[in-house]
Amino acid sequence: DAGVTQSPTHLIKTRGQQVTLRCSPKSGHDTVSWYQQALGQGPQFIFQYYEEEERQRGNFPDRFSGHQFPNYSSELNVNALLLGDSALYLCASTSTPYQETQYFGPGTRLLVL
Amino acid sequence: RKEVEQDPGPFNVPEGATVAFNCTYSNSASQSFFWYRQDCRKEPKLLMSVYSSGNEDGRFTAQLNRASQYISLLIRDSKLSDSATYLCAVNRGDKIIFGKGTRLHILP
Repeated sequence: DAGVTQSPTHLIKTRGQQVTLRCSPKSGHDTVSWYQQALGQGPQFIFQYYEEEERQRGNFPDRFSGHQFPNYSSELNVNALLLGDSALYLCASTSTPYQETQYFGPGTRLLVL
Repeated sequence: RKEVEQDPGPFNVPEGATVAFNCTYSNSASQSFFWYRQDCRKEPKLLMSVYSSGNEDGRFTAQLNRASQYISLLIRDSKLSDSATYLCAVNRGDKIIFGKGTRLHILP
């Protein structure tokens, strides 16, 4: 039973660049949520995707966008990177949008220089 | 006031001791509550969901106090392997809000 997978595991970018992070949900799950976790902080909700649409969104600027594909995998895109975007980006999947038991992937560690 | 607050610790506790932490939340409409464990540089993993009646899983007990708007986690007979950061999470309906976490160090 494949768990949540994310790629890449680590990434280094410079200010102003754009980045795309990828997530494949746990087998049988159709809902993907993205979180940003800065050092010493808890995960902060970015948005949730279900049926290829953004269903809910947290307090993140439009520079953060996403996409969900027919196979339920998802991408997180961040444009015009800022130093403050350096964080661990976590993807979590659930079996429905209303299922609260989230399974997290290992995360992508992004460093913006 | 932050929506979900936790004492960041660290809590330094000798092996075998009992330790408890609380997590307070501000939104009285919050619907469900969780404790996650996060090891250093790893992803959070669900430890327990927290029910109104309280629930227990082995050495771990979680309780909810809706009147005072807090949840608690009690760890009995602590093990070295319990060393981690414990995150509480609150589902307020439109999204799940995490606290910053409480760091626990179990000392040999």
